Amino acid sequence: EVQLVETGGGLIQPGGSLRLSCAASGFTVSNTYMSWVRQGPGKGLEWVSAIYNGGRTYYADSVKGRFTISRDISKNTLYLQMNSLRAEDTALYYCARLVVETYYDAFDIWGQGTMVTVSS
Amino acid sequence: DIQMTQSPSSLSASVGDRVTITCRASQSISNFLNWYQQKPGKAPNLLIYAASNLQSGVPSRFSGSGSGTDYTLTISSLQPEDFATYYCQQSYSARSFGQGTKVEI
Repeated sequence: EVQLVETGGGLIQPGGSLRLSCAASGFTVSNTYMSWVRQGPGKGLEWVSAIYNGGRTYYADSVKGRFTISRDISKNTLYLQMNSLRAEDTALYYCARLVVETYYDAFDIWGQGTMVTVSS
Repeated sequence: DIQMTQSPSSLSASVGDRVTITCRASQSISNFLNWYQQKPGKAPNLLIYAASNLQSGVPSRFSGSGSGTDYTLTISSLQPEDFATYYCQQSYSARSFGQGTKVEI
């Protein structure tokens, strides 16, 4: 079964760091495009970051320089290292698989999300 | 950055109604437009990709159309399980979502 399971969320003070994990099953993250999407409380969806199968990474302007996406092939796991956290980073963070083809690019598999709360 | 604007932000409908949701991009996105459904407490679910292609397993009452900057999601006959929030998303340049349209009774 194709599945994504996120862990690592929690309560963190402003300025702190947190690392989210996303364990994949049913497919290999090394040859797949993967992404993080977040959703603030009662808000809409916001794309955060992506990593392509060749290792190239991309970030939303709102997190560039503070967040780092990576993957561990041996553990078939995606990560999001979040530094210098701000109150506005408070959100439910989803891991999602990206299907990228010539004429389309979409998130086809989503995890259940892990909640990050940035507050003193 | 490409901005995505959905309308309406919410709508009230009844079972059996035909429902249409519109999404407008701030520039042409060449059909790099997807639609997702999200139910409360659940992750989003891909309905339509590349503007008009039905994702596997999605009921045929859902359809998408459009081109350039303007796109539409249509539910031909609303079912009880369709009450949810719908998001459009562009993948032409980086990725961004519309603000969502809540479909309620």
